[in-house]
Amino acid sequence: EDQVTQSPEALRLQEGESSSLNCSYTVSGLRGLFWYRQDPGKGPEFLFTLYSAGEEKEKERLKATLTKKESFLHITAPKPEDSATYLCAVQADHQAGTALIFGKGTTLSVSS
Amino acid sequence: KAGVTQTPRYLIKTRGQQVTLSCSPISGHRSVSWYQQTPGQGLQFLFEYFSETQRNKGNFPGRFSGRQFSNSRSEMNVSTLELGDSALYLCASRVTGGSETQYFGPGTRLLVL
Repeated sequence: EDQVTQSPEALRLQEGESSSLNCSYTVSGLRGLFWYRQDPGKGPEFLFTLYSAGEEKEKERLKATLTKKESFLHITAPKPEDSATYLCAVQADHQAGTALIFGKGTTLSVSS
Repeated sequence: KAGVTQTPRYLIKTRGQQVTLSCSPISGHRSVSWYQQTPGQGLQFLFEYFSETQRNKGNFPGRFSGRQFSNSRSEMNVSTLELGDSALYLCASRVTGGSETQYFGPGTRLLVL
């Protein structure tokens, strides 16, 4: 069964304290792995798409990496405005269409 | 470019009623997917439409249905509402033939009393 597990469930950081969020996945044939950011009461906001092991993408203070079993979202010198829930999702080769399988998310709180 | 829009943003219904939610995708996007988000289950795939045809369906009862129009706009319907249907319903659109990335709308918050 396709599955996505994110850890930790919650993370509290001080401003400037770098850390990483983990997304472990089990899927028979990965078509793509996606990171989204979701603020309370809003829809998920797209961050990154990764397609193959070894791929890395960066955007401001965020960097996403992918291996054959997991992905990491590295947050460098976070600011309070980075506080949000970060969602990881995968798309499987065997799925017709483009259904995403989501993890439960990591809720990040950054205090000044 | 305008993003994905969903209407209404908030709805309150009672058990047994039915509800219709609407989604307008990003201009040029022809694939529309629907997801349900609850605190307990997280985000779960409902169904996807492309060219007015359902391409894939998640593990939800037949009370959940949808359709897509020729202009790519989509609606989903939930009949005989249950308390457990209270959730944030999210629509996502994707440009076909290129990136697999889906872009989400703000969602419709449904409360069933």
